[in-house]
Order: sequence, then C-alpha cells, then structure tokens
Amino acid sequence: GQQLNQSPQSMFIQEGEDVSMNCTSSSIFNTWLWYKQEPGEGPVLLIALYKAGELTSNGRLTAQFGITRKDSFLNISASIPSDVGIYFCAGGGSQGNLIFGKGTKLSVKP
Amino acid sequence: GAVVSQHPSWVICKSGTSVKIECRSLDFQATTMFWYRQFPKQSLMLMATSNEGSKATYEQGVEKDKFLINHASLTLSTLTVTSAHPEDSSFYICSASGYKTASHYEQYFGPGTRLTVT
Repeated sequence: GQQLNQSPQSMFIQEGEDVSMNCTSSSIFNTWLWYKQEPGEGPVLLIALYKAGELTSNGRLTAQFGITRKDSFLNISASIPSDVGIYFCAGGGSQGNLIFGKGTKLSVKP
Repeated sequence: GAVVSQHPSWVICKSGTSVKIECRSLDFQATTMFWYRQFPKQSLMLMATSNEGSKATYEQGVEKDKFLINHASLTLSTLTVTSAHPEDSSFYICSASGYKTASHYEQYFGPGTRLTVT
C-alpha cells in the first residue's frame, strides 16, 4: 500500500531558528496536507497543497508540493515556543483517503 | 470555519460495556466522516470511512461488529465500541470533509476522545 516516510522523527528548536521537515513516498499523491497536533488534541490543518510544484505559505509556515508528486516539505521560519508539537504530513490517496506520515516531533531546546 | 466537535472528550468504562462517541460538524455539512485511532506517540490509523446515509467502509483488520459506525445526517456520525476490552483503550479521533471544504481531501479533525477500559 501507499506509505509515507516523514523526517526527521524529532527535532529540537531554539527560538528564532528556521525548521524544515519533509515527507517522501514511492507513490504519487494528488494532494499533500500538513497538520499539527498538540498533546491530547486532534490534528489541526495548517496547509493544503493541490498541484505539483505549488508553494503555499500560511504565516511563518511554507510548504511545497514536490514536482514529482511524491514528496512535500514544510518550513517554519523564525520559530517560537508555541510551535512545539507533532507535525504530520498526509498524502491524498487514489481512493480519496489520507495517508499519514509518522510525524515530526518539535521540542524546545533545554 | 470547518469546526468539528467530539463528545465525550474522555470516558472510562468497564470491560464488557459499550461506549458511544459522537462526532459533529458544527458549521458545514460533512458528506464524509472518518474515524481514526491513535496509540501513544504514534500516527493516526484510519479505522473506517462513512458517507452520509450509507454503510461505513472499514479498513482491513477493523472489526465492523465491534466498532459500529452510524452517519445518519450530514452533521453527525457516531462510533460505538461494543463489548469494550482494555485493549480498546485508545485515543479516538474523527474528521470530516464536505461541501465547505476546498477539496474532499481536506479533513478537519475533532479534538479526540480518550477511552479507557478498566
């Protein structure tokens, strides 16, 4: 079946740093979405991408739909403490469902 | 916009009893609702997809007689965990997509329900 490889699995941020994470797959997806989940809550949709090559921003977040339709990345610029959480990529599958990556956990450097 | 609520937010039940979880789309009509299960520190696992007025489609390995799903209206879907056992303890999250969402791929999630079976 379709699977996504999301990396990194976890990362520590210092306030002000830029953050980058990505998802890759051997399968082609029609849509890429990025979600953020905080403990004990449901995921919140951050950015949705619909076309290969599309680059979309939402405030300090920027995401791109890879030209091959097999990958996507999410960048967070000038990170702030409230950016901590788990970020999931999701690819829109051939059956209208979403395939989720395993998540990237963002924590604050001690 | 695109707000989804879930009730209850947490529930504790005894082994052998049934538990019903409600998922509502508050400001849009959800043609499709999805039910996920999430174990600690893991990703979301799709359990089933339900379209309003029709039977749910269950993912492989999910027992449809144990996890009963009803999507009776465009704003409400329910998941009933029947004869719950401790191994059913988990975080259950619903999501919805519909007429208001830009794409049927855009799913908006509820806040989740923490089920603990003792």
